[in-house]
Amino acid sequence: EPEVTQTPSHQVTQMGQEVILRCVPISNHLYFYWYRQILGQKVEFLVSFYNNEISEKSEIFDDQFSVERPDGSNFTLKIRSTKLEDSAMYFCASSDGTSGRVTDTQYFGPGTRLTVL
Amino acid sequence: AQSVAQPEDQVNVAEGNPLTVKCTYSVSGNPYLFWYVQYPNRGLQFLLKYITGDNLVKGSYGFEAEFNKSQTSFHLKKPSALVSDSALYFCAVRDTAYNNNDMRFGAGTRLTVKP
Repeated sequence: EPEVTQTPSHQVTQMGQEVILRCVPISNHLYFYWYRQILGQKVEFLVSFYNNEISEKSEIFDDQFSVERPDGSNFTLKIRSTKLEDSAMYFCASSDGTSGRVTDTQYFGPGTRLTVL
Repeated sequence: AQSVAQPEDQVNVAEGNPLTVKCTYSVSGNPYLFWYVQYPNRGLQFLLKYITGDNLVKGSYGFEAEFNKSQTSFHLKKPSALVSDSALYFCAVRDTAYNNNDMRFGAGTRLTVKP
């Protein structure tokens, strides 16, 4: 069964450094998403991406964040200058868009745990 | 904005007994409701969803959920729990009033099934 994959599984970085989290969505999917989960808190929506542009973003997704689909398979989340409060589990998800954008099922990757020191 | 509440942090059941994991929601329009399960070191796995139609939705691994509009609930159920069902369960909602991809998750409920 096709799966969303994410690399690395764990990233440790110094405050102020840039990080890039990588995701490979399911191959025929059209919509891509990033979520984060701070330890002990809810899973929070960050951004959705369709047709090579951001379709929605939350208030969390400020100028420090960016997303890109650099080729036909990868979907990346970049944090330009990490802060301590960016420490979280980051989940990538994708959906195929066949049942409608809002009713689609999103399939999640295993997550990348980002630790900012 | 849409939201969900999972009132129980932890649910403990004995193997073979029925299980219920509770979820209530709040939306402006109509809800699209989802259940996901998270096993250790794994991503969120889709279990089932309610979009429209029959209020009883059947999903993966023998789970089902009942949409109750009057009680604004979408409780997850299984007639006979397995030890392997032990995991973290998340309810999520989208609101038709917003027509967007912003899916709001509950805080999660940790289910422990004891042999």
